[in-house]
Amino acid sequence: GESVGLHLPTLSVQEGDNSIINCAYSNSASDYFIWYKQESGKGPQFIIDIRSNMDKRQGQRVTVLLNKTVKHLSLQIAATQPGDSAVYFCAEYREWGARGTSYGKLTFGQGTILTVHP
Amino acid sequence: NAGVTQTPKFQVLKTGQSMTLQCAQDMNHNSMYWYRQDPGMGLRLIYYSASEGTTDKGEVPNGYNVSRLNKREFSLRLESAAPSQTSVYFCASSDGQGPDTQYFGPGTRLTVL
Repeated sequence: GESVGLHLPTLSVQEGDNSIINCAYSNSASDYFIWYKQESGKGPQFIIDIRSNMDKRQGQRVTVLLNKTVKHLSLQIAATQPGDSAVYFCAEYREWGARGTSYGKLTFGQGTILTVHP
Repeated sequence: NAGVTQTPKFQVLKTGQSMTLQCAQDMNHNSMYWYRQDPGMGLRLIYYSASEGTTDKGEVPNGYNVSRLNKREFSLRLESAAPSQTSVYFCASSDGQGPDTQYFGPGTRLTVL
C-alpha cells in the first residue's frame, strides 16, 4: 500500500544552525509532496510544496529536495530559530476522485519533532 | 476572516454516547474535510465534501457520519462513541485548486472513556 514516513522522529538543534528533516515515500503516483508545520495545540500549517517533476524548490529560509530515484524528500531550514520548534510532517498530495467530486487527497507521514535550543 | 473554526475545543464522552463536532469556514471554499490525528501520527482523512451537497468516505470513515449543512459548515457526528475514537479531530477547507490551499482548523481534542 502507499505510505509516507519519516526516518527520524526527533531532531534537536541550536539556534542559528541549519536543520534537515527527512522523509521516505513509497507511492510514486503523486502530484505534489508537501511539508507541514504543526505547533502544539494547532492545526497543520502549509510550509512549502514541490511538484513531483521537480528536484528542488526554495522558499523563505526553507528548501525542499526531492530525489525520485530513492523516493526521498527532505526539508532544509536555514538559520533555525526557536519559533521553528514544532512537529513537521511530509505529505503526499494527489487529485482524487471523479470529475465534479474530486478533492485533494493528502497522505501524511508520521512526523518529526524539531526542537531548537536558544 | 476567522478562517476555519471548530467547536468544541475539548470534549470527554463515555462509551456509547453521541456527539457532533462542528466546523465552519468563512473563505467561501468549495471543499471541506474531516481528519483525525492519533498521538505521534499524521492526519488521516475520515470524510470529505468536494462541494456543497456531496460527501464521500475517506480513509477511516467507520463509526462516523457527516453533514454538509451548507457551503460554510461541515459537521462530524459520532453516533456511539468508542475508546478507539479518542483522538484530535481537525477540519480543513480548500478551494480545490492545488496542494497549498487546505487550511486547517485548531482541532477538537476528544477523549472517550
